[in-house]
Amino acid sequence: NAGVMQNPRHLVRRRGQEARLRCSPMKGHSHVYWYRQLPEEGLKFMVYLQKENIIDESGMPKERFSAEFPKEGPSILRIQQVVRGDSAAYFCASSPDRGVNEQFFGPGTRLTVL
Amino acid sequence: GEDVEQSLFLSVREGDSSVINCTYTDSSSTYLYWYKQEPGAGLQLLTYIFSNMDMKQDQRLTVLLNKKDKHLSLRIADTQTGDSAIYFCAESTGSNYQLIWGAGTKLIIKP
Repeated sequence: NAGVMQNPRHLVRRRGQEARLRCSPMKGHSHVYWYRQLPEEGLKFMVYLQKENIIDESGMPKERFSAEFPKEGPSILRIQQVVRGDSAAYFCASSPDRGVNEQFFGPGTRLTVL
Repeated sequence: GEDVEQSLFLSVREGDSSVINCTYTDSSSTYLYWYKQEPGAGLQLLTYIFSNMDMKQDQRLTVLLNKKDKHLSLRIADTQTGDSAIYFCAESTGSNYQLIWGAGTKLIIKP
């Protein structure tokens, strides 16, 4: 059983471009969580999704950021019109059910905005 | 506000014990966690402790919780080169899926 997959692992964008980060959960997992880690800081919760539903997006910036987890395919975190402050590591986790004890993390996508 | 603090680096000699410390501020925490992140990999849950416990041992790992001082530690006995990683401390909030994270402690093993 492959672990949580994230791609790309590294993404470079110029200011104003769009960034699309993909997360494929572990097989059998229907819950996906996105976190952001700024340099020398802890992870910050962004959004929690189940298939086709956003359950909690309280950690998402109100503008430019959106997330989806369609019926088929990976979960996508989209950042429109990126700015330098969006440079961070973005981690995805999945779980078979709701709960922290069972979250499995992907390797992260490191976004650099020039 | 809620905050979790860790030292950014710890250097130990191979074979010695490593003790990674963490302090937190939310006295209503229910669970406290230690995660390990190896280079290029995701975060791996190492262990967790319920807030009504003061110690948990799992092979080479010992977790100590001082709830009065809001202090959590992870002791790794007989530290090996494979233990080189970043160790994150995290506490649970009222939600059962959101965690408050420390910035991580990078464990460096000296031969």
